[in-house]
Amino acid sequence: DAKTTQPTSMDCAEGRAANLPCNHSTISGNEYVYWYRQIHSQGPQYIIHGLKNNETNEMASLIITEDRKSSTLILPHATLRDTAVYYCIVRVGIQGAQKLVFGQGTRLTINP
Amino acid sequence: EAGVTQFPSHSVIEKGQTVTLRCDPISGHDNLYWYRRVMGKEIKFLLHFVKESKQDESGMPNNRFLAERTGGTYSTLKVQPAELEDSGVYFCASSIRINSPLHFGNGTRLTVT
Repeated sequence: DAKTTQPTSMDCAEGRAANLPCNHSTISGNEYVYWYRQIHSQGPQYIIHGLKNNETNEMASLIITEDRKSSTLILPHATLRDTAVYYCIVRVGIQGAQKLVFGQGTRLTINP
Repeated sequence: EAGVTQFPSHSVIEKGQTVTLRCDPISGHDNLYWYRRVMGKEIKFLLHFVKESKQDESGMPNNRFLAERTGGTYSTLKVQPAELEDSGVYFCASSIRINSPLHFGNGTRLTVT
């Protein structure tokens, strides 16, 4: 069972920043937060992950609250190709294994 | 580099038949995972290989499913005999290290009629 809660769907205008929230209030101290997305008919795609510090890469930024009970994925300049289902996942695998527990995710629609 | 490839992309079989799905991970990736999404449900973990060894097969639904990774390269997932509830999309993923993010293939869509 997923350890995260996300809104079912969100809309964002093309060119604007898309901010996707995620609650993980039961996260343990050594559990990472991962974000993946699934574009229609493709496999999930890794976006970013973090433990407690904010992270940024070429795709997105991840903001984790100080108490680590929630996080926000930011796509700074959303494009139509960013339309996808976004999954916020708390990794539960032992010894670092990627035994991911996917929830329902947030269906993000980027509108022209 | 070539991504994770899965074959076939689609398979339609009758209940009671056998199907074998194949996954070729990214070259050099010792860790290989199988996940699946059955109709209306979330993507769920099936099992994890490290090279040719099964590290964790806690997600395998029953003994009709058999995964192998002989030689530690490609992997196969056999369903025998297939049941209607096995219909769904089967994803394979690989990673270079055990704690590295996963690279997923585009999946095999299995339909059991």
